[in-house]
Amino acid sequence: AQKVTQAQTEISVVEKEDVTLDCVYETRDTTYYLFWYKQPPSGELVFLIRRNSFDEQNEISGRYSWNFQKSTSSFNFTITASQVVDSAVYFCALRPGTASKLTFGTGTRLQVTL
Amino acid sequence: DAGVTQSPTHLIKTRGQQVTLRCSPKSGHDTVSWYQQALGQGPQFIFQYYEEEERQRGNFPDRFSGHQFPNYSSELNVNALLLGDSALYLCASSLAPAVEQYFGPGTRLTVT
Repeated sequence: AQKVTQAQTEISVVEKEDVTLDCVYETRDTTYYLFWYKQPPSGELVFLIRRNSFDEQNEISGRYSWNFQKSTSSFNFTITASQVVDSAVYFCALRPGTASKLTFGTGTRLQVTL
Repeated sequence: DAGVTQSPTHLIKTRGQQVTLRCSPKSGHDTVSWYQQALGQGPQFIFQYYEEEERQRGNFPDRFSGHQFPNYSSELNVNALLLGDSALYLCASSLAPAVEQYFGPGTRLTVT
């Protein structure tokens, strides 16, 4: 069975602060993919990143960075110098290597204020 | 290049009625997946269509059914609506069944 846990329900930060969103997953598959999506108030899920289970290199994209650690089954997401436009709900998701179904966590609502 | 489109945007139905939601995939995509997102929850996988057939299904009752047309667009049908079916219904398309999924803006269904 696949499971994704996002223990942080809601996080509030002041603009320019760094913030880390936690994601812990469970799977018995040896090949799998991990994702982060952003859901602004409009409702559309915006794809941010995909990592496969064989690639544990951390990734940085502008102010976004991701830390994948198989040893702790975690795939955490850090936003550096947060901005008001980062306010949204962020979902971590898991997909088996050969199947299609995405299993999502319950999401973390990030509120960035001035 | 148009992304995934869904219609209608919002819908209000009465308990016991039937509803049809529509999805047009991103250009070049041939696979469509449907998800239900209840308020405050993550999306839950309903099913996926590829080559006009249901390929994989989540834990949803038979009241939820779908269809894929030759142009790859898809419909989600829900019969005998329950209050608990109120949710945002998201459609996602991909180039093939087990690759990147791109989501549409969703249809918000309210059952009264």
